[in-house]
Amino acid sequence: AQSVSQHNHHVILSEAASLELGCNYSYGGTVNLFWYVQYPGQHLQLLLKYFSGDPLVKGIKGFEAEFIKSKFSFNLRKPSVQWSDTAEYFCAAYSGNTGKLIFGQGTTLQVKP
Amino acid sequence: GAGVSQSPSNKVTEKGKDVELRCDPISGHTALYWYRQSLGQGLEFLIYFQGNSAPDKSGLPSDRFSAERTGGSVSTLTIQRTQQEDSAVYLCASSRQGDYGYTFGSGTRLTVV
Repeated sequence: AQSVSQHNHHVILSEAASLELGCNYSYGGTVNLFWYVQYPGQHLQLLLKYFSGDPLVKGIKGFEAEFIKSKFSFNLRKPSVQWSDTAEYFCAAYSGNTGKLIFGQGTTLQVKP
Repeated sequence: GAGVSQSPSNKVTEKGKDVELRCDPISGHTALYWYRQSLGQGLEFLIYFQGNSAPDKSGLPSDRFSAERTGGSVSTLTIQRTQQEDSAVYLCASSRQGDYGYTFGSGTRLTVV
């Protein structure tokens, strides 16, 4: 069955540190990949998505993610985090076979000012 | 409407009672999804409606859970004989056909006491 794994459950960083959150998916066919963010008290918002083409995807607020097919990975990165990036981050995968998004367990990012 | 609307935003109910949660998707979005978000559990898929097709109910955790979508728009998720383990945030999302980036509502926080 298709699954998505996020290896970091809770990450604590200082402002200006670099961020990389891991995401791996299990499905071997064609998938579309997403990162969502949930700021405290707010609803889920789409950060970025990968469908095809350039495997390096740029999203909002300086985030980017790289699709590495050979590693079944779609890690999220940001060169320099800000306190306002404190949130929960979810990786998700969509395949036409299932017709729905499957989410990872989420990673809580805490950025210390 | 401008976004996905869910009501109520909070619901406290006694164990054994039935509850109904409502989702009003974005106008024109043919797909509607229900997910459950529990603390530390990520997002769990519950059910998916696409146009006039039979819904994908594969994520419903028990026969106490059911959902319907009337007129291809508003959806109601019903939980019968609620249990304490049903306590969670229930999220609804919608999308246009062929667009796999969902728009989420703010959710209904259900507490079973």
